[in-house]
Amino acid sequence: DTAVSQTPKYLVTQMGNDKSIKCEQNLGHDTMYWYKQDSKKFLKIMFSYNNKELIINETVPNRFSPKSPDKAHLNLHINSLELGDSAVYFCASSDGTAYGYTFGSGTRLTVV
Amino acid sequence: GENVEQHPSTLSVQEGDSAVIKCTYSDSASNYFPWYKQELGKGSQLIIDIRSNVGEKKDQRIAVTLNKTAKHFSLHITETQPEDSAVYFCAASNPMASGSARQLTFGSGTQLTVLP
Repeated sequence: DTAVSQTPKYLVTQMGNDKSIKCEQNLGHDTMYWYKQDSKKFLKIMFSYNNKELIINETVPNRFSPKSPDKAHLNLHINSLELGDSAVYFCASSDGTAYGYTFGSGTRLTVV
Repeated sequence: GENVEQHPSTLSVQEGDSAVIKCTYSDSASNYFPWYKQELGKGSQLIIDIRSNVGEKKDQRIAVTLNKTAKHFSLHITETQPEDSAVYFCAASNPMASGSARQLTFGSGTQLTVLP
């Protein structure tokens, strides 16, 4: 069983559309994250949730809205997509500390 | 907050040679330093980590060294193989801190290419 699964793996969409990326973990972790990896491979944290509560919200446009229906799920909804949103988005989970980070396989978002 | 710098951004080596990737960190309270390997189309996998109470840790062809005084740590891969080709990320954190300080701060990544 995949520990952290995110869907879809690839997403191509037009500017201005609204899209969602889903993430689920079956590790029993309390904390989940969204990271953005840009074309230069930089890996930057966007959001972190602990038991469905937002604990980290980096400087991210408010077009990005994370939603955590339960501690096993953290979805990322993006409104009014822009060309600069094209990147690979990684979901991850942990026990709330730096130990045991587990990453999903990534979602490559391409905005055309 | 913590700031982690990683060099080089790209590294090409011949198969069988060694590869070294270096990271520096800014927060002297950080005491946990993992390394992740990201293969094409996959999420990052933890390959080795080191805590501040040791200066070196080795696992087969992979080793990590830590210099707390200088606040830098390095990943060493010996006898490189084509399957070592990937993006490698270093990270730092203080897992015992509160709030966001306990999370991982990643370096910018190194694209390692092992040439056959």
